Amino acid sequence: QSVLTQPPSVYGAPGQRVTISCTGGWSNIGSGNNVHWYQLSGTTAKLLLSHNSIRPSGVPDRFSGSKSGTAATLAISGLQAEDEADYYCQSHDNSLGASVFGGGTKVTVL
Amino acid sequence: QVQIQQWGAGLLRPSETLSLTCGVSGASFSEYYWSWIRQSPGRGLEWIGKISHFGITAYNPSLKRRVLTSIDTSKNQCSLRLRSVTAADAGLYYCARTTVDKNFYMDVWGKATTVTVSS
Repeated sequence: QSVLTQPPSVYGAPGQRVTISCTGGWSNIGSGNNVHWYQLSGTTAKLLLSHNSIRPSGVPDRFSGSKSGTAATLAISGLQAEDEADYYCQSHDNSLGASVFGGGTKVTVL
Repeated sequence: QVQIQQWGAGLLRPSETLSLTCGVSGASFSEYYWSWIRQSPGRGLEWIGKISHFGITAYNPSLKRRVLTSIDTSKNQCSLRLRSVTAADAGLYYCARTTVDKNFYMDVWGKATTVTVSS
C-alpha cells in the first residue's frame, strides 16, 4: 500500500471537470511538505504541478492544484481526450526519510 | 532543451544485476540531482534514489541494500545498479532530472526502459 492514497480511477466526459485526491498523513503532507503531480502515459512521464499548484511552462491552465491539511487535490477542467492517462502525487515523508508517491489514478475520458 | 536518454539490458534472470545508464544533453548537469524511479503494476511509482554531480546519493530505504548509483560528469551520465533482482523488480524504469531541495521533484523525465525478469 502506498503512503499517499489516491482513488484508483476517475471518469469524466469531454469538457467536464474532474478532481483527484491525494491523502497523506502528518509525516508527509500534513507536516507542510509540498505535493507534486505527474502525468504518465505509456513510457512517457511529465511533471504537471510542483509545490502543490505551480504549473511548469507548457502545462495548460486546465490543470490546477491545491493542498489543505493532510491532503492535496489535482483538478482538470475542460477535460480533453488527451488527458486520458495515469496521474500520481508525490511528497516527502519525514518518518521514512524518502520521497513517496501515491498509488496513481487512471483518468478515463468517456 | 533538456534531453534524457536511457539504455541498458531489459531482460534479466532472477538474481542478476540490473544495470541502466542515463545520458543527459542540453542541461546544466551539475546543477541538479538525477533520480531513478520505477513503475510496476503491483506497486505503482517508486522512487529508487538520486545522485548529485558530486556523487552525493540518497536512496529509498526499502531498496538501499541492493542499489548503487554512480555518475560520470565528463560524459554527463549517471547509472543505476540493482543487485539480486526478482520478478518484483520488473517494470518501467525512468531517469529524471531532480531538484536539489529536501522536498524535491522530478521536472524532466527520460523515456522509460522496460525491465523484464524471467528465468
